[in-house]
Amino acid sequence: DQQVKQNSPSLSVQEGRISILNCDYTNSMFDYFLWYKKYPAEGPTFLISISSIKDKNEDGRFTVFLNKSAKHLSLHIVPSQPGDSAVYFCAASGNSYKLIFGSGTRLLVRP
Amino acid sequence: GAGVSQSPRYKVAKRGQDVALRCDPISGHVSLFWYQQALGQGPEFLTYFQNEAQLDKSGLPSDRFFAERPEGSVSTLKIQRTQQEDSAVYLCASSLGDRGDGYTFGSGTRLTVV
Repeated sequence: DQQVKQNSPSLSVQEGRISILNCDYTNSMFDYFLWYKKYPAEGPTFLISISSIKDKNEDGRFTVFLNKSAKHLSLHIVPSQPGDSAVYFCAASGNSYKLIFGSGTRLLVRP
Repeated sequence: GAGVSQSPRYKVAKRGQDVALRCDPISGHVSLFWYQQALGQGPEFLTYFQNEAQLDKSGLPSDRFFAERPEGSVSTLKIQRTQQEDSAVYLCASSLGDRGDGYTFGSGTRLTVV
């Protein structure tokens, strides 16, 4: 039973356009959400997070939106750059150190 | 070092063999985590240490898996009598606290059981 789902295994966008990566969760006890970025042969690196008391968090080109009623969050990257090409993991936690990860979305930004 | 170091990077084991995977966390990081990432999946929690104390081992899939951090720094994940389903990337992460935004992951050890 997957508590965190990323239903799109891959996404391809043109350089300069917006990338939107989606994530759904089922556990209403989750109160903290994170996005990680992973390049091949490297470990995941933290990108951006959001607490359940907010509905938006922005950091430069990256914005995360949280819709608690829909149990849905999304990561927007604008403008997308070729260096953003990586696998993006959504993760959630519920007042705990334990992270529950989605299965990832592979983003390809075409020059 | 500047980051979390894991060794070996790659390990091929024959079914039934015991393996030991090492994690050198960032110096001074109190929290240490092990995650297992199967092919095409996201990382799954295995176990959590705070200094030398193993506070949570609820994610270890069977009693063949054992982790230790005897001096509160280096940690070893041991898998006894490896099975094919143990094939995965094993990721170690360390952190000053226990919030996910503070985690630094290592590059992982890719274990292949043949």
